[in-house]
Amino acid sequence: EIVMTQSPATLSVSPGDRATLSCRASQNVGTNLAWYQQKLGQAPRLLIYAASTRATGIPGRFSGSGTGSEFTLTISSLQSEDFAVYYCQQYTKWWAFGQGTKVEIK
Amino acid sequence: QVQLVQSAAEVKRPGSSVKVSCRPSGGTFRSHHAISWVRQAPGQGPEWIGAIMPVFGTPTYAQKFQDRVTITADESTSTVHMELSGLKSDDTAVFYCARGGGFYAHFDAWGQGTLVTVSS
Repeated sequence: EIVMTQSPATLSVSPGDRATLSCRASQNVGTNLAWYQQKLGQAPRLLIYAASTRATGIPGRFSGSGTGSEFTLTISSLQSEDFAVYYCQQYTKWWAFGQGTKVEIK
Repeated sequence: QVQLVQSAAEVKRPGSSVKVSCRPSGGTFRSHHAISWVRQAPGQGPEWIGAIMPVFGTPTYAQKFQDRVTITADESTSTVHMELSGLKSDDTAVFYCARGGGFYAHFDAWGQGTLVTVSS
């Protein structure tokens, strides 16, 4: 079983600032890594897949990087609509999600 | 844009079973699609339960759930069902179906979620 660990649990950021979220896999997952955004009462929304490819309609301020077991999601300039919970997911061996990083207004 | 539509919320007694359904709002599942079920307890991250490729009909389950979950697909109605038995209070959660481009792919579409409440 591959375990995904995200840090930090909560990130306090001011609008317009950069946010950097981390995700670590317990085994090598190559680039089979996705990031999702979830707002209260909604289903998760795909942001990034293959570690660094933005999904259709996702703004350029979202970027993903990493390979193997260490991954990063960067939001270059936080907008009001970006305050949400973010999850990473590996899909190398079945599927597994991290516990999430909540991005809140500072 | 393809959306997945799920069945309505349920309230169940401990020890009983629940069956949740999922279908595309327009069209059908393609042969390469895999439909997964995910459980999300209040305040927790999503947890993968199992998946099926509707065209082929063979499911696969997470070890944690394999003794009490059954996922089936009805190709004639393009509907996938997830039945969870032996319900406990900590099964109270929102259950989502999600579509991937086969096994070992990210999820590019999600259902709206079905709240299952387990309470005596």
